[in-house]
Amino acid sequence: TQLLEQSPQFLSIQEGENLTVYCNSSSVFSSLQWYRQEPGEGPVLLVTVVTGGEVKKLKRLTFQFGDARKDSSLHITAAQTGDTGLYLCAVLVSGGYNKLIFGAGTRLAVHP
Amino acid sequence: GAGVSQSPRYKVAKRGQDVALRCDPISGHVSLFWYQQALGQGPEFLTYFQNEAQLDKSGLPSDRFFAERPEGSVSTLKIQRTQQEDSAVYLCASSLVLSSGNQFFGPGTRLTVL
Repeated sequence: TQLLEQSPQFLSIQEGENLTVYCNSSSVFSSLQWYRQEPGEGPVLLVTVVTGGEVKKLKRLTFQFGDARKDSSLHITAAQTGDTGLYLCAVLVSGGYNKLIFGAGTRLAVHP
Repeated sequence: GAGVSQSPRYKVAKRGQDVALRCDPISGHVSLFWYQQALGQGPEFLTYFQNEAQLDKSGLPSDRFFAERPEGSVSTLKIQRTQQEDSAVYLCASSLVLSSGNQFFGPGTRLTVL
């Protein structure tokens, strides 16, 4: 069983549509991160959310951390072809340093 | 360069061969991580270095996997007697300070074992 469950696994939409992807867990986290990974590249950090109920906006992307800090969502408004990629949520496991545990990701394809 | 670099970008090995994957972290970054990303999955933690010290190798799948960072900068991940299940993308990440949540990833090395 994965610590972080991401849904949907795959999403194929047309340019201009809105979409939401989810990251769920039964565990409580002090913070959660979202990454985007393009083919042939490493993940790139988009945002870190730390407070229950927090909402952060990054241009057309809106990130929300659940009130109980167990889940998070990423909403994209008016998707563009440049949004295509693998969206990963991750949590930091502390212990003097911070290693990341990732979900399996949502693979998004935005078609013109 | 400004970012994390990895080489080679692609490696094809015959089953049983040894391979060595290199990571050049961002200059001055104390922490270095290796992750393994299987097809269709998220990255999974392999090992962690603080400068030259390997402080966590709990994610290494078997004793065929070995990593080093002898001078606290460049790191090498070595896989001995490769198996088909070792086929994956191997990602390296570095961060400036010990407790930073900001890890910068390299582009990865895609290893295919035939």
